[in-house]
Amino acid sequence: DAKTTQPNSMESNEEEPVHLPCNHSTISGTDYIHWYRQLPSQGPEYVIHGLTSNVNNRMASLAIAEDRKSSTLILHRATLRDAAVYYCILMANQAGTALIFGKGTTLSVSS
Amino acid sequence: EPEVTQTPSHQVTQMGQEVILRCVPISNHLYFYWYRQILGQKVEFLVSFYNNEISEKSEIFDDQFSVERPDGSNFTLKIRSTKLEDSAMYFCASRRTFMNTEAFFGQGTRLTVV
Repeated sequence: DAKTTQPNSMESNEEEPVHLPCNHSTISGTDYIHWYRQLPSQGPEYVIHGLTSNVNNRMASLAIAEDRKSSTLILHRATLRDAAVYYCILMANQAGTALIFGKGTTLSVSS
Repeated sequence: EPEVTQTPSHQVTQMGQEVILRCVPISNHLYFYWYRQILGQKVEFLVSFYNNEISEKSEIFDDQFSVERPDGSNFTLKIRSTKLEDSAMYFCASRRTFMNTEAFFGQGTRLTVV
């Protein structure tokens, strides 16, 4: 399985933008880049995903490097509720493929 | 918004007993998954299920585990003879298709083996 590398932890202040990096140098051409997060005491929650182009949704933006070997999840204005573990996961576009979680980045948000 | 529902939210069982964890995936989803998370550790993949058969399973998913979709709505995980180390949060997830879609996770069942 292609692997990702994320910092163990990051800190942010409320209402500031947060850029969460992810390296995936062995990504294959058909792997999608997925981001999930896990709030304390909850199940994982989908954030965003993309293949080649940058993506935006109501929760976040995903910036994908031109060579696809890295990506950045952008939270435009962090809130206390965004404190969570964020997972960057590569997912092959094949039937039966499951999300395989790494350790992710623990984001702390201060008021 | 549609959601994945898991029951019970917390189950306590004696070592050696059988447990069944239940999940109701989102109704038009076709791909189903079980994960577990031991306290303080990462989320671990157990098994994926499609078209009434297992698509993929991890090394954790040994003969003690089984999955079933007994009817059109439920998806169950059975642990035949629980061990202390089976104590964990168990999450069910579903996806509409495997093509370019997100997975939806339930809130989990906390299993405590005593």
